[in-house]
Amino acid sequence: NAGVTQTPKFQVLKTGQSMTLQCAQDMNHEYMSWYRQDPGMGLRLIHYSVGAGITDQGEVPNGYNVSRSTTEDFPLRLLSAAPSQTSVYFCASSSGTGRGEAFFGQGTRLTVV
Amino acid sequence: GNSVTQMEGPVTLSEEAFLTINCTYTATGYPSLFWYVQYPGEGLQLLLKATKADDKGSNKGFEATYRKETTSFHLEKGSVQVSDSAVYFCALSVPGSNTGKLIFGQGTTLQVKP
Repeated sequence: NAGVTQTPKFQVLKTGQSMTLQCAQDMNHEYMSWYRQDPGMGLRLIHYSVGAGITDQGEVPNGYNVSRSTTEDFPLRLLSAAPSQTSVYFCASSSGTGRGEAFFGQGTRLTVV
Repeated sequence: GNSVTQMEGPVTLSEEAFLTINCTYTATGYPSLFWYVQYPGEGLQLLLKATKADDKGSNKGFEATYRKETTSFHLEKGSVQVSDSAVYFCALSVPGSNTGKLIFGQGTTLQVKP
């Protein structure tokens, strides 16, 4: 019963480094999203996908890149890490039939120094 | 645009006290409304939802009613337990978008003391 799996759980990067946060779901959901969680700001949408090969920007897309080559996987790439990207990142998936009900991964805590 | 506003936290209660966390929303259209809970060190879990006006969502003793006239979806529980200590997020699905996108409030931290 894996659901949504994110790796890694923790990561420290130096400014300017790049990395990929992995997200995989085993529920055959069409919709997948990436959010960042910052204190006092709730969760903000970075990018989302409505199916393999289709992605779009959310509220805070700058500095991040995504692709969706399969239904299961939706990686998030940080192109050149900045301290402002220090945050907790959550991946979510949903089927669309639950009118938006989403299942979340455990999160990745990223620190950029 | 679409937005969600939650009451500021943290909320500190004694065990068995009554809980209300206020949530109001702005939306163009008819969103579904959700309460998610985040326990320390974990991801978000759906607590309850309502998909149309006057619907009441309920789970684990928590309830919330979709009030279109006041654009509200307040979370209530009659008697909280220490194990309810968590961060609670109110959220709405973007009406008509069919994308799975959610808009979240800022979250309310609840601490329940024995």
